[in-house]
Amino acid sequence: SQQGEEDPQALSIQEGENATMNCSYKTSINNLQWYRQNSGRGLVHLILIRSNEREKHSGRLRVTLDTSKKSSSLLITASRAADTASYFCATDGGGYNKLIFGAGTRLAVHP
Amino acid sequence: GAVVSQHPSWVICKSGTSVKIECRSLDFQATTMFWYRQFPKQSLMLMATSNEGSKATYEQGVEKDKFLINHASLTLSTLTVTSAHPEDSSFYICSGWDRGIYEQYFGPGTRLTVT
Repeated sequence: SQQGEEDPQALSIQEGENATMNCSYKTSINNLQWYRQNSGRGLVHLILIRSNEREKHSGRLRVTLDTSKKSSSLLITASRAADTASYFCATDGGGYNKLIFGAGTRLAVHP
Repeated sequence: GAVVSQHPSWVICKSGTSVKIECRSLDFQATTMFWYRQFPKQSLMLMATSNEGSKATYEQGVEKDKFLINHASLTLSTLTVTSAHPEDSSFYICSGWDRGIYEQYFGPGTRLTVT
């Protein structure tokens, strides 16, 4: 069964704007990861944040983690049309290798 | 990162036939491989976990006799969809777990269409 929910389910923005996606989960975790998936393609790993970390940056990506609220957010700054994709969070559900995916957010960035 | 390949990338089969999908870790040994299924506009649902040399562990609701998983070597796992039906049409994604660095790498997926 899926671990949690993502919010919003779909997001439509203009190029240059920031996009924020949220993820909630249900059980304790060791880490949380974010992935991107272009339509009909495989997953691209974006970033991993460990349970003892609160914020992490990678290029235009910023991830936060609040373990007390069991939630995480992914911020994409200065979005580009190429950022159009579905974004999923995934948690290890307390185990080290079994990933449970959230429902995903479909992001559309318009030129 | 490490590479996981899947073959075929897409397959069309007739209802009632069986289809085998291969998942290979190309530059690492995957002691554990995972199989996911993804329906259109939905998330990935874990189907089963397979450890090299042992029987796969299936998630609740996944029929083990319908989705046969074999993980005979550290670089190859196969998923066979037996007696496929149109409702089995989906995107099947595998991943390999590199225990050495605690990373999971995903294959590009296989799109199965059952007519």
